[in-house]
Amino acid sequence: DAGVIQSPRHEVTEMGQEVTLRCKPISGHDYLFWYRQTMMRGLELLIYFNNNVPIDDSGMPEDRFSAKMPNASFSTLKIQPSEPRDSAVYFCASSRPGGYQPQHFGDGTRLSIL
Amino acid sequence: QKEVEQDPGPLSVPEGAIVSLNCTYSNSAFQYFMWYRQYSRKGPELLMYTYSSGNKEDGRFTAQVDKSSKYISLFIRDSQPSDSATYLCALENQGGKLIFGQGTELSVKP
Repeated sequence: DAGVIQSPRHEVTEMGQEVTLRCKPISGHDYLFWYRQTMMRGLELLIYFNNNVPIDDSGMPEDRFSAKMPNASFSTLKIQPSEPRDSAVYFCASSRPGGYQPQHFGDGTRLSIL
Repeated sequence: QKEVEQDPGPLSVPEGAIVSLNCTYSNSAFQYFMWYRQYSRKGPELLMYTYSSGNKEDGRFTAQVDKSSKYISLFIRDSQPSDSATYLCALENQGGKLIFGQGTELSVKP
């Protein structure tokens, strides 16, 4: 089975540019999560979706961040304009509905804002 | 105070040693307790989870939860170099959100 697929794996861009991160969840998984991982703050939940609908975006740091899930097999996390402090590894995870279901993570996008 | 506290290490042990990794938490509403393993440049993968207080064993790994003390542990017996990774505890609240510890970096030396 294919796991969670994220692209790009690495992104280096200059401050002020728009950044778009992409995620394809595992087929049949109704929940999709976006996380950010830094040395200082660890792994933090940014936003999660259930059946393509955003449920909790309280972790999104500011209005420069936005996320969408236009269909069950695709989600994007966008940063506009990007700043050096956004440099981090961004992970997407998905899980099945019902009871306790483990979250399956992609291998992340390593983002560097110069 | 953070909801979940975990010593980031690093922790270095010789091959064959017993490893003990721990987290403390402050919110008694957490329902599920998990341990994830993260290899370098990879996403976290679920290692073990438990719902109640007590022990749960899976091969060389034992997860322990003490809800009265708000303390969770992961023990690794007969540690191997392939166990070298960062181990993150994760607790799920009633809203279904995972709160992760900082992660402990483990190195098992041959």
